[in-house]
Amino acid sequence: SQQGEEDPQALSIQEGENATMNCSYKTSINNLQWYRQNSGRGLVHLILIRSNEREKHSGRLRVTLDTSKKSSSLLITASRAADTASYFCATDRTGFQKLVFGTGTRLLVSP
Amino acid sequence: DADVTQTPRNRITKTGKRIMLECSQTKGHDRMYWYRQDPGLGLRLIYYSFDVKDINKGEISDGYSVSRQAQAKFSLSLESAIPNQTALYFCATSGGLGDNEQFFGPGTRLTVL
Repeated sequence: SQQGEEDPQALSIQEGENATMNCSYKTSINNLQWYRQNSGRGLVHLILIRSNEREKHSGRLRVTLDTSKKSSSLLITASRAADTASYFCATDRTGFQKLVFGTGTRLLVSP
Repeated sequence: DADVTQTPRNRITKTGKRIMLECSQTKGHDRMYWYRQDPGLGLRLIYYSFDVKDINKGEISDGYSVSRQAQAKFSLSLESAIPNQTALYFCATSGGLGDNEQFFGPGTRLTVL
């Protein structure tokens, strides 16, 4: 079964706007990771946040983690058409040493 | 050259055929994984290996087998392919230390008729 559930399933915005995606999970984790997938291609790691961290930044990406609510959000600021992709959260569950992926959010950024 | 490669990139086969998908990596990682991706279902783990002599079943291992021939190579076999194994298959690696960030291959699109 999927550990992570993301919402929305799909998001359509204009260039320059911010995009926010959310991920909820069920069990305790070591860390939570976000990956991007361009259509039909392999996933690319974007950012990782550990269970003892609350917020992390990388370029135009901002990730938050709320372990009490078992949820995370990914914010992409000033979106570009090149950000069009599917975004997946993945949880590294405590004691399991393998990732469990969510079902993803499809982001469309229109010029 | 890509760090994680998969062959073939596309394959069309018939029900009942044996198929092998191969994965090679130059990252020097000990851990390797096979996933399948179906529309709307995200990635699901088929098998994983933390070392050459280590093989573990994932979430959906039925109908699949794997072989870890060397640290750099991890093969996935479908002994008798069936249509519901039509999917996109990904190999991934991780260093196994620290945070378990994974590096993915480009994928193999498999169609079973």
